Amino acid sequence: EAGVAQSPRYKIIEKRQSVAFWCNPISGHATLYWYQQILGQGPKLLIQFQNNGVVDDSQLPKDRFSAERLKGVDSTLKIQPAKLEDSAVYLCASSKTGGDYGYTFGSGTRLTVV
Amino acid sequence: GIQVEQSPPDLILQEGANSTLRCNFSDSVNNLQWFHQNPWGQLINLFYIPSGTKQNGRLSATTVATERYSLLYISSSQTTDSGVYFCAVRPVSSASKIIFGSGTRLSIRP
Repeated sequence: EAGVAQSPRYKIIEKRQSVAFWCNPISGHATLYWYQQILGQGPKLLIQFQNNGVVDDSQLPKDRFSAERLKGVDSTLKIQPAKLEDSAVYLCASSKTGGDYGYTFGSGTRLTVV
Repeated sequence: GIQVEQSPPDLILQEGANSTLRCNFSDSVNNLQWFHQNPWGQLINLFYIPSGTKQNGRLSATTVATERYSLLYISSSQTTDSGVYFCAVRPVSSASKIIFGSGTRLSIRP
């Protein structure tokens, strides 16, 4: 089966600019996750979708981050305006319903804010 | 919230050596996975192992859920095994959140 697709692979922006990341999960996976991984740390969950509804966004900095999953398939994560501390790898993962199955991660988007 | 601790934080071995990586968690879980993050940042799923033992080639994993730990064994290490190994758990108390440990950085020297 095809994996989780993410784009772009790399992005460099100046602080206060905006940026968007795209994710296409594995076909049939109802649950989609966005994680932020800062260098040297484990991934941290930002937001979880079940189909097109938000299940958990408690760690999403809502003043600058937003995410949507229209039609319960593709998802976009946006940062506006970006800060230096947003430099990280943004990982998308998907799983079958409920997360009681394994996760599959995409290759990630490496964001550098200068 | 649940604490996930991995040990050792860093491990340097010669090619051909065996290694054991440990993941301890502080609360009951119903989902545990081991991932390998390669030097390009890709997270590769190694095992989905909420309990019991699984083997895949040179790698095997054991989770003892009642004692709240999991072990990842790597035998006959190769340089391509280098990278960071993460344990990730979903607590029974959480409807959704998967919590990652801080990882074990493994370096295999030729």
